[in-house]
Amino acid sequence: RKEVEQDPGPFNVPEGATVAFNCTYSNSASQSFFWYRQDCRKEPKLLMSVYSSGNEDGRFTAQLNRASQYISLLIRDSKLSDSATYLCVPAGGTSYGKLTFGQGTILTVHP
Amino acid sequence: EPEVTQTPSHQVTQMGQEVILRCVPISNHLYFYWYRQILGQKVEFLVSFYNNEISEKSEIFDDQFSVERPDGSNFTLKIRSTKLEDSAMYFCASKLVSYEQYFGPGTRLTVT
Repeated sequence: RKEVEQDPGPFNVPEGATVAFNCTYSNSASQSFFWYRQDCRKEPKLLMSVYSSGNEDGRFTAQLNRASQYISLLIRDSKLSDSATYLCVPAGGTSYGKLTFGQGTILTVHP
Repeated sequence: EPEVTQTPSHQVTQMGQEVILRCVPISNHLYFYWYRQILGQKVEFLVSFYNNEISEKSEIFDDQFSVERPDGSNFTLKIRSTKLEDSAMYFCASKLVSYEQYFGPGTRLTVT
């Protein structure tokens, strides 16, 4: 079973819309997660860390549901610049912390 | 804001040649990583490096690959004899102690 599973999308939303992505994970021992965003042919950029039940940063809110083993990312008031692939990544299981990426969810925000 | 840098941004090489990809991690970071991403595929872990030695490596990281931190700032990935299937984006990442890894802009390696 994959470590994380995300709906690959694509999600096509108009500017100003609210959009949510879910990510389910298989390892119940996973304590922390990251949301990265990746633009085409660019590096993953850290968007948010989720260490407890959730985190909020401006238009972005992440929530972690340990009982159901899923993490969500909510984007409010979408901007054109939010168009990217969003990657849900469990924090590494050891202190060395290799990250295991999935394919992510593609978001396209249109005018 | 400190950032990870990588050189070159694009490297073209012929099959069988050796390449060295260079990275300068964030200066006070302690853990260093290489990942790669083949076009259209997901980012894959290659190797982690801590305290001047490899701490973990994937099955991709075979004898053709090696890493080195020759001085206090550079972190390099060497591929001894490149193959066509080594063509990919190679990302360096680093972290201090906590979990967050920060990625460099990548080197696009094209093997012809």
